[in-house]
Amino acid sequence: DIQMTQSPSTLSASVGDRITITCRASQSITDWLAWYQQKPGKAPKLLIYKASGLEGGVPSRFSGSGSGTEFTLTISSLQPDDFATYYCQQYSTYLLTFGGGTKVEIK
Amino acid sequence: QVQLQESGPGLVKPSETLSLTCSVSGYSISTGYYWGWIRQPPGKGLEWVGSIYGSGSTYYNPSLKSRVTISLDTSKNQFSLNLSSLTAADTAVYYCARGRPGTVGTSYPDYWGQGTLVTVSS
Repeated sequence: DIQMTQSPSTLSASVGDRITITCRASQSITDWLAWYQQKPGKAPKLLIYKASGLEGGVPSRFSGSGSGTEFTLTISSLQPDDFATYYCQQYSTYLLTFGGGTKVEIK
Repeated sequence: QVQLQESGPGLVKPSETLSLTCSVSGYSISTGYYWGWIRQPPGKGLEWVGSIYGSGSTYYNPSLKSRVTISLDTSKNQFSLNLSSLTAADTAVYYCARGRPGTVGTSYPDYWGQGTLVTVSS
């Protein structure tokens, strides 16, 4: 299995802050990585695919980067609607695996 | 607009088999995407259960493989999950999702159902 490790597990930030979440893979996944946002009681929502592709309808303040084993999700200016939990997911192998999640809280 | 909706029992007894159905509207399940199940135990992270391609090829999480079956019903535009020999560890919100193809045999979910809580308890 490819293990996905996210850091930090919790991030406290204020509206307007620039934040970065890191996701590391236990082996190279080239750029087969997606990012999701999940709010309490709701299904995850796709934000980023293939490491840096912005899903349609997702605000441009979200961006993804990285390749191989290290990836980042950046929110350039945090908005009230962005307080949520974020997950990365690799799809390099048929055994799809998710990171443990990063909860973005209001500081 | 692609929409998915899970249906099935909310409470199942230990050792029994869970059967869930996902009804899809706005897209034909026999056309070029994966259709899968992801679960999330209360307060925890996401775990991929398995997927089926529109052609019928199946992919299962090895940790569940001996207990999982996913199938398509193209006449109803639905797909289903059967999970046998349930224990309390299977208690989770179960999501169905459409998977956009990545590399061969892989996908990433782009449309999700709202999820259904399944509790395993006597």
